[in-house]
Amino acid sequence: KAGVTQTPRYLIKTRGQQVTLSCSPISGHRSVSWYQQTPGQGLQFLFEYFSETQRNKGNFPGRFSGRQFSNSRSEMNVSTLELGDSALYLCASSLAPQGGYNEQFFGPGTRLTVL
Amino acid sequence: TQLLEQSPQFLSIQEGENLTVYCNSSSVFSSLQWYRQEPGEGPVLLVTVVTGGEVKKLKRLTFQFGDARKDSSLHITAAQPGDTGLYLCAKGAYGSGNTGKLIFGQGTTLQVKP
Repeated sequence: KAGVTQTPRYLIKTRGQQVTLSCSPISGHRSVSWYQQTPGQGLQFLFEYFSETQRNKGNFPGRFSGRQFSNSRSEMNVSTLELGDSALYLCASSLAPQGGYNEQFFGPGTRLTVL
Repeated sequence: TQLLEQSPQFLSIQEGENLTVYCNSSSVFSSLQWYRQEPGEGPVLLVTVVTGGEVKKLKRLTFQFGDARKDSSLHITAAQPGDTGLYLCAKGAYGSGNTGKLIFGQGTTLQVKP
């Protein structure tokens, strides 16, 4: 089975621009979660989508948004980029629809640099 | 706040040495995962522990879940340079509206020198 894929792997943007990142989950996985990883804050939860609905959201501003398509692929969007948005953005997919062990399988991430 | 505290934050050892990484919380976990992450890559799931007192082994790695399910440890025997990486513990943030959210510890950066 193919793992979680994320595109692009690297991205350089300037302040004020917007960006869209893409994630394809493992086949059969319907839950997709997004995380931001920075050296100072570590891994922080952004949001989770299940069956095209946002089921959970972390403490990030409204500039961060996402969506999920009927094939479970997900995108996240960051508008009006700030320098502090530079991070590794990780997507994870999970088989469990709710609760359970919540084992999540991560993609390689998208490294976003904001200049 | 459902925090996970990992210790130590950094560890630099020689090949062949043993080490233990700890993960603690003030609240009970229903389950806990350990991940390993290499630079520029996503975390890779190593193990999930569920039952208090549970011990799982993965080659030279031994994972233990505390009896009270508030702590866990990862022990590596005879570390090798290939074990170098960031080790993360994570627990599910269960409860209303928290499905799908993992809370991570801050990680332990391990460097194994040949």
